[in-house]
Amino acid sequence: LAKTTQPISMDSYEGQEVNITCSHNNIATNDYITWYQQFPSQGPRFIIQGYKTKVTNEVASLFIPADRKSSTLSLPRVSLSDTAVYYCLVGENSGYSTLTFGKGTMLLVSP
Amino acid sequence: KAGVTQTPRYLIKTRGQQVTLSCSPISGHRSVSWYQQTPGQGLQFLFEYFSETQRNKGNFPGRFSGRQFSNSRSEMNVSTLELGDSALYLCASSLLAGGAYEQYFGPGTRLTVT
Repeated sequence: LAKTTQPISMDSYEGQEVNITCSHNNIATNDYITWYQQFPSQGPRFIIQGYKTKVTNEVASLFIPADRKSSTLSLPRVSLSDTAVYYCLVGENSGYSTLTFGKGTMLLVSP
Repeated sequence: KAGVTQTPRYLIKTRGQQVTLSCSPISGHRSVSWYQQTPGQGLQFLFEYFSETQRNKGNFPGRFSGRQFSNSRSEMNVSTLELGDSALYLCASSLLAGGAYEQYFGPGTRLTVT
């Protein structure tokens, strides 16, 4: 399983764009990159997934460079409710792969 | 569509007892995974079931076991509880087995062992 490295914490203010970068140097050819968000005492929630280049949905954008050794989750115009832990995971869509959650990035959004 | 439900939401047990937690996946989802979350260790994978078969197992002692029924509902059991088993136990379901498929998590069961 490819290991991921991401910052332990980040601070931001309401209305700003937040970019969280995740490093996954030994990502395999069949691996996808997935981001989850977790609020205290709740289960994680899927945010976005990508394989290469750029993916955008109504919540976030995911930028993946050509070498795929890193990825950046971009949250546009954050609000206080975006304060949460964000996990970057790498894994393949095979029946025997599992999700390995690291420590995640604690994002604190202030007014 | 109803989300993943877990029962009970809170549980207090004493050391040495056993406990059974239940998870009902989203309708149509055949894969159910279980995770343990503690402040010190973070989110750790316990096991995954797909079509009543255990597909994957994390690095936990044999006191932790699970099963899945034909309707995809799943239970996990912890025997001979230890203080260190106090944690939030999360269940997640997905349409197919495999780590990269979108997983939908339940609210969790908060287990306290005294």
